[in-house]
Amino acid sequence: DAMVIQNPRYQVTQFGKPVTLSCSQTLNHNVMYWYQQKSSQAPKLLFHYYDKDFNNEADTPDNFQSRRPNTSFCFLDIRSPGLGDTAMYLCATSRPGNYEQYFGPGTRLTVT
Amino acid sequence: KQEVTQIPAALSVPEGENLVLNCSFTDSAIYNLQWFRQDPGKGLTSLLLIQSSQREQTSGRLNASLDKSSGRSTLYIAASQPGDSATYLCAVRPEDDYKLSFGAGTTVTVRA
Repeated sequence: DAMVIQNPRYQVTQFGKPVTLSCSQTLNHNVMYWYQQKSSQAPKLLFHYYDKDFNNEADTPDNFQSRRPNTSFCFLDIRSPGLGDTAMYLCATSRPGNYEQYFGPGTRLTVT
Repeated sequence: KQEVTQIPAALSVPEGENLVLNCSFTDSAIYNLQWFRQDPGKGLTSLLLIQSSQREQTSGRLNASLDKSSGRSTLYIAASQPGDSATYLCAVRPEDDYKLSFGAGTTVTVRA
């Protein structure tokens, strides 16, 4: 089945220790998104790629970076995680047309 | 800036009762609206996408209506079951962009 896959599903890291989350998709969608979702809150868009074009949201901290080496894969790098970065990180994809978004299962990140 | 509101934040109903979930948005210039389901600690599952030109969309026991001019959408779930217990989020896509604005969700508990 075509899908969006995120790894790992759970990640615990120490304060200040870099961490990388990955997302892959078999949908062949050209748009990929990274969201941060804290408990009982709406998902917050961090950035997205339209093909290779990177689009950063204005309020995304510099601590968050992303890479998209090819259509299928996208990575979220957190260079120096703080306690406030504990959250669920969601990857999503869409394609031109109605841009319906398809989400992965998420990575729950805990910073200790 | 688009603001999306979902009221109530939480809802508890006995099994078999019909569920009515509300979503309101401030800017009526939308392209479409998506309803998602999120189980605890999981990603988002797309339930229904309703285009701005549509009045409603149906899938099984789910029916979503859209009143674009008044900035409202309603998700109806008929004959609720305990398996319907989850958080339901709505998200709107503006006419001039492909990024979504999310509501914070309504958490539903269906009591057996």
